[in-house]
Amino acid sequence: SYELTQPPSVSVSPGQTARITCSGDALPKKNAYWYQQKSGQAPVLVIYEDSRRPSGIPARFSGSSSGTMATLTISGAQVEDEADYYCYSTDSSGNHGVFGGGTKLTVL
Amino acid sequence: QVQLVESGGGVVQPGRSLRLSCAASGFTFSDYGMHWVRQSPGKGLEWVAVIWYDGGYKFYADSVKGRFTISRDNSKNTLYLQMNSLRVEDTAVYYCARDICTNGVCYGQDSWGQGTLVTVSS
Repeated sequence: SYELTQPPSVSVSPGQTARITCSGDALPKKNAYWYQQKSGQAPVLVIYEDSRRPSGIPARFSGSSSGTMATLTISGAQVEDEADYYCYSTDSSGNHGVFGGGTKLTVL
Repeated sequence: QVQLVESGGGVVQPGRSLRLSCAASGFTFSDYGMHWVRQSPGKGLEWVAVIWYDGGYKFYADSVKGRFTISRDNSKNTLYLQMNSLRVEDTAVYYCARDICTNGVCYGQDSWGQGTLVTVSS
């Protein structure tokens, strides 16, 4: 079955840029979505269609995609951005969703 | 405001069945596709199933296909997940989430419920 691969963890100091990658064979043709999940809470959408930001999401969150890799970038990461981040996309049929394994972002 | 409220979770023995519900309010439910996503304790998110806005199409993860059935009642603004032949590995928090593609843009799962815990144990 189709898989999306993320690094297990990323660590940055406050104010630095955090980049979280997501690789998958279908990403050249399928959009990537990014979700933030803080401890004990439901996920929150932070990026849709590779690079679009929902209303209410800070401008420091941005997304990009090239070839088989999508990237979530947090420019000037804040302590409150500490969370697990998941990429999401679909298989080549577009009918079956899949999440990446998640990346724990530490900001300290 | 948009609200999704899951219910129906609990403790169930392996091999038994359980039905989850997700009550929607604050938006036009019949315009949105709906997903079930689960998260086992201490683990990552796992996509479970999706149903189109009108119930016309349904798709499942391989791990639940043939055991779980997603359905909806647009007159009651409610999404369901019928879970049969439950296994220990189905233990998870189950979330419902809405999804829409309109005017060529797919907005993703932009609203989620708080989840309901299903524990499969003897």
